[in-house]
Amino acid sequence: ETGVTQSPTHLIKTRGQQVTLRCSSQSGHNTVSWYQQALGQGPQFIFQYYREEENGRGNFPPRFSGLQFPNYSSELNVNALELDDSALYLCASSRAAGPLDTGELFFGEGSRLTVL
Amino acid sequence: GENVEQHPSTLSVQEGDSAVIKCTYSDSASNYFPWYKQELGKRPQLIIDIRSNVGEKKDQRIAVTLNKTAKHFSLHITETQPEDSAVYFCAASTRTGNQFYFGTGTSLTVIP
Repeated sequence: ETGVTQSPTHLIKTRGQQVTLRCSSQSGHNTVSWYQQALGQGPQFIFQYYREEENGRGNFPPRFSGLQFPNYSSELNVNALELDDSALYLCASSRAAGPLDTGELFFGEGSRLTVL
Repeated sequence: GENVEQHPSTLSVQEGDSAVIKCTYSDSASNYFPWYKQELGKRPQLIIDIRSNVGEKKDQRIAVTLNKTAKHFSLHITETQPEDSAVYFCAASTRTGNQFYFGTGTSLTVIP
């Protein structure tokens, strides 16, 4: 069984640029969630995708957007990068029985974004 | 929305002693409470979880207790070992939107 994989593992961008982060969900999982983890903090929910539809969003501005593909992989896009966007971005997949199901999250290793 | 608070932020124990980490939550609709262990530079990994219809759950040296009335839950690690050293996060989730709310983490150091 393949676990959750994310790419790239590290990247450096400058303010105002755009970034795309990618995530392949664990085999058999239909739900992908994205979290932002600032240094020394707990992960904060950005949004979740269930069967290619956004299924919940945290307190993040619209410049954070995402996609889920038919194979359940996902992308996180961040436009107009700000210094405070520097963080570890974690993708987590789960097998949900429905859009309201609370399934166990399996995390990837994360993409560490540095904005200069 | 939900607010999860976690204490202490750092904890040092001697090998073999017990460690207890406490979390409180605010939303009475929360019904699922996982605990994650995150080693330096690694992904968070689920170590134990509890649902609101259960008061206590144990898995070898790790146990979690839940008090729904007081809205708090705790992680107990007995007979600590150096490999238990890591950051531990509690989380809470409701059945709406499948969003997990995490605490700010506890850095546990087990001194050999």
